[in-house]
Amino acid sequence: DVKVTQSSRYLVKRTGEKVFLECVQDMDHENMFWYRQDPGLGLRLIYFSYDVKMKEKGDIPEGYSVSREKKERFSLILESASTNQTSMYLCASSPLAGGPTDTQYFGPGTRLTVL
Amino acid sequence: DQQVKQNSPSLSVQEGRISILNCDYTNSMFDYFLWYKKYPAEGPTFLISISSIKDKNEDGRFTVFLNKSAKHLSLHIVPSQPGDSAVYFCAASGAGGTSYGKLTFGQGTILTVHP
Repeated sequence: DVKVTQSSRYLVKRTGEKVFLECVQDMDHENMFWYRQDPGLGLRLIYFSYDVKMKEKGDIPEGYSVSREKKERFSLILESASTNQTSMYLCASSPLAGGPTDTQYFGPGTRLTVL
Repeated sequence: DQQVKQNSPSLSVQEGRISILNCDYTNSMFDYFLWYKKYPAEGPTFLISISSIKDKNEDGRFTVFLNKSAKHLSLHIVPSQPGDSAVYFCAASGAGGTSYGKLTFGQGTILTVHP
């Protein structure tokens, strides 16, 4: 069974703080993703990574950065948190792309509130 | 630019009846479509998928239909059960290779199945 874990289920931070969200997967997947989920907007891709130290911008990368130093770990960084970054953050992983292997496996999510 | 759209934010169905969730897409390069189910406080879980070379895929109570000419897919749940109450996301992916397994998600539809 694929397991994707996220470091926190709930997080409350203040405006301007630097925030780290950690994600770990145990299935040796090449691809890892960070999404945010907002009501009425669905899941929007922030960043993804297809290999260690490789990263690509998703649809909404502004205000975020990522780090992938090890294959199993993908971190999302909010350099200076703002109230409009209050959201549910979801991490996912998948094996190397190609047809049925596009299925992504998600972590439980981190509900981030920025005050 | 929302490339995958779920125009119904919510759907309410009686237990035992059919639930039909709809999804439209605009990008003709999408060649693989997936449905995910999400319970509150949990990450989305993969439900069923369909390749663009097929028009139907069935798995137990769940059937996905694809109409490529109309760029439309639907998820049928028969019979619906109260445990099916969740948010359902439609997702699409492009050709393999450089897509790295990227998925584009719709906004989601909240399904409520009443006993």
